[in-house]
Amino acid sequence: GAVVSQHPSWVICKSGTSVKIECRSLDFQATTMFWYRQFPKQSLMLMATSNEGSKATYEQGVEKDKFLINHASLTLSTLTVTSAHPEDSSFYICSLWSRAPPRSWGYTFGSGTRLTVV
Amino acid sequence: GESVGLHLPTLSVQEGDNSIINCAYSNSASDYFIWYKQESGKGPQFIIDIRSNMDKRQGQRVTVLLNKTVKHLSLQIAATQPGDSAVYFCAENIEGAQKLVFGQGTRLTINP
Repeated sequence: GAVVSQHPSWVICKSGTSVKIECRSLDFQATTMFWYRQFPKQSLMLMATSNEGSKATYEQGVEKDKFLINHASLTLSTLTVTSAHPEDSSFYICSLWSRAPPRSWGYTFGSGTRLTVV
Repeated sequence: GESVGLHLPTLSVQEGDNSIINCAYSNSASDYFIWYKQESGKGPQFIIDIRSNMDKRQGQRVTVLLNKTVKHLSLQIAATQPGDSAVYFCAENIEGAQKLVFGQGTRLTINP
């Protein structure tokens, strides 16, 4: 099946610093990438959707200047949490979607990144 | 529909028994549904999917039922095993849109 590599798997940063999370497709070209956030014992909340070469579309309530998404290629998307604060501590998960064969109409998830801001 | 941060409901079953996990969705325009399994500290793992033109689909030890009339989805796991302990989420895709919206989730615990 499709493989998505997300890293780092966990990161601890100081309040006020920025953190970059990478999501890489290893064996297919991802038309669209999604970023989710998950707080403990809660469901996955969609933060934004990005298509290769275009600006990301953010869900209501998600600050686009704080959560910078770059989808520069069909195999790589990055999420940068800028000026992180303790309330940004969460589990961030990427998901890739491709309409093109061999992976048509399918979502593949990364393994997630545990961000702790101290 | 959109999860609003509710705490996960739980379901405990004895090993070997069957389990049924339910999910209500809110958007009648959703035409594709997926069940995911998530273990602690990991990303969601695909279990089974179903399109809106079907009302039942079976996989290995799992069955998904879709009732579009009442906007209800269920996941049946047969002969549960300890490895089935996890959080299970339903997710819906709205026709014409790309994004996947997750339901509330259910924590399944298999008792030995």
